Amino acid sequence: DTAVSQTPKYLVTQMGNDKSIKCEQNLGHDTMYWYKQDSKKFLKIMFSYNNKELIINETVPNRFSPKSPDKAHLNLHINSLELGDSAVYFCASRPNRGDSPLHFGNGTRLTVT
Amino acid sequence: KQEVTQIPAALSVPEGENLVLNCSFTDSAIYNLQWFRQDPGKGLTSLLLIQSSQREQTSGRLNASLDKSSGRSTLYIAASQPGDSATYLCAVATRDFNKFYFGSGTKLNVKP
Repeated sequence: DTAVSQTPKYLVTQMGNDKSIKCEQNLGHDTMYWYKQDSKKFLKIMFSYNNKELIINETVPNRFSPKSPDKAHLNLHINSLELGDSAVYFCASRPNRGDSPLHFGNGTRLTVT
Repeated sequence: KQEVTQIPAALSVPEGENLVLNCSFTDSAIYNLQWFRQDPGKGLTSLLLIQSSQREQTSGRLNASLDKSSGRSTLYIAASQPGDSATYLCAVATRDFNKFYFGSGTKLNVKP
């Protein structure tokens, strides 16, 4: 199946821990994103990579560090997790053509206790 | 900074009704506008994409319009069905096509 896939789907962890979320797309897209969706369903961009190069880095705590080993993968590592980090994190990708939509993964629900 | 607003936040209609969802944005310098559908526990699925030079796009029972100068878009759903129940989000792309700003969505419930 061609898709954007994220792992894990659910992540429950305690404050202070470090965790990673992985994303892979087999669509051949050039640009990948991390979005955070809060409890009010508001989606906010965090990071974007184009062909392994960081192009967007929004005002995000430096506890969050993205890493793109190749253009098909974009991982998100979070250090020293806090309660406020609880949210759904979505990976998305798009080609570099302006007439193509964003493709989203199914999300990772992170719960910090 | 671009701000995207969607009204109403929630909508409940009987099956078969035609309905309109609204999206407004503050900065008309956009590259394109997309409408997405989000089902509970799922990611977003793209429904329609309108380029800034276009006025509307249609797909099946869905029609999206764009009035860039007034900063508005509407999503028209004809003959609604229970399977249309979901949250609908609009997103505008910045001129450099790198950033997408999302509204907070309209949660639609179509009653059988």
